[in-house]
Amino acid sequence: EPEVTQTPSHQVTQMGQEVILRCVPISNHLYFYWYRQILGQKVEFLVSFYNNEISEKSEIFDDQFSVERPDGSNFTLKIRSTKLEDSAMYFCASSYQGTGANSPLHFGNGTRLTVT
Amino acid sequence: QKEVEQNSGPLSVPEGAIASLNCTYSDRGSQSFFWYRQYSGKSPELIMSIYSNGDKEDGRFTAQLNKASQYVSLLIRDSQPSDSATYLCAAPTNTGNQFYFGTGTSLTVIP
Repeated sequence: EPEVTQTPSHQVTQMGQEVILRCVPISNHLYFYWYRQILGQKVEFLVSFYNNEISEKSEIFDDQFSVERPDGSNFTLKIRSTKLEDSAMYFCASSYQGTGANSPLHFGNGTRLTVT
Repeated sequence: QKEVEQNSGPLSVPEGAIASLNCTYSDRGSQSFFWYRQYSGKSPELIMSIYSNGDKEDGRFTAQLNKASQYVSLLIRDSQPSDSATYLCAAPTNTGNQFYFGTGTSLTVIP
């Protein structure tokens, strides 16, 4: 069964550094998302992406964050100047028809980001 | 107002019993709902989706949707210790550009 692939599985970085989290969505999916989950807390929406542009972003997704689809397969989340509070599990997800009735989100295994 | 709300639990049931997980939603225009299971430290995994009023069964799982009451539930029959996880209810937001997740209900199945 096709799956969403995320790398790395764990990233440790120092405060103020830049990190890039990588995702390969399911190949025939058209809608891409980043969510994050701080330890013990809920899954929070960061950004959705369709047709090479951002569809929606949350208040969390400020100028520190950016997304890119550099080629036909990868979808990246860049966090500039990381802060301690950016430590979380970051999930990439994709769907075929956005939020259509038969179009659930499929999640990758996540990248655990630890900012020290 | 939260778009999807769940009782965070924890909910404990003995092995073999029925576990009942509940979710309410605020947007009457919501058309589809999804239940995800999340083991500790892992990503959410889709269990079931439901779009129409009534029940939808898949193996030991039954999703129930009541649009008049804005209520979605998940029943797990013959609960197993491997069902111990956090269950997330999700629905598209009114913008149609993302899914909103509830806070999740922690379920423990006691052998």
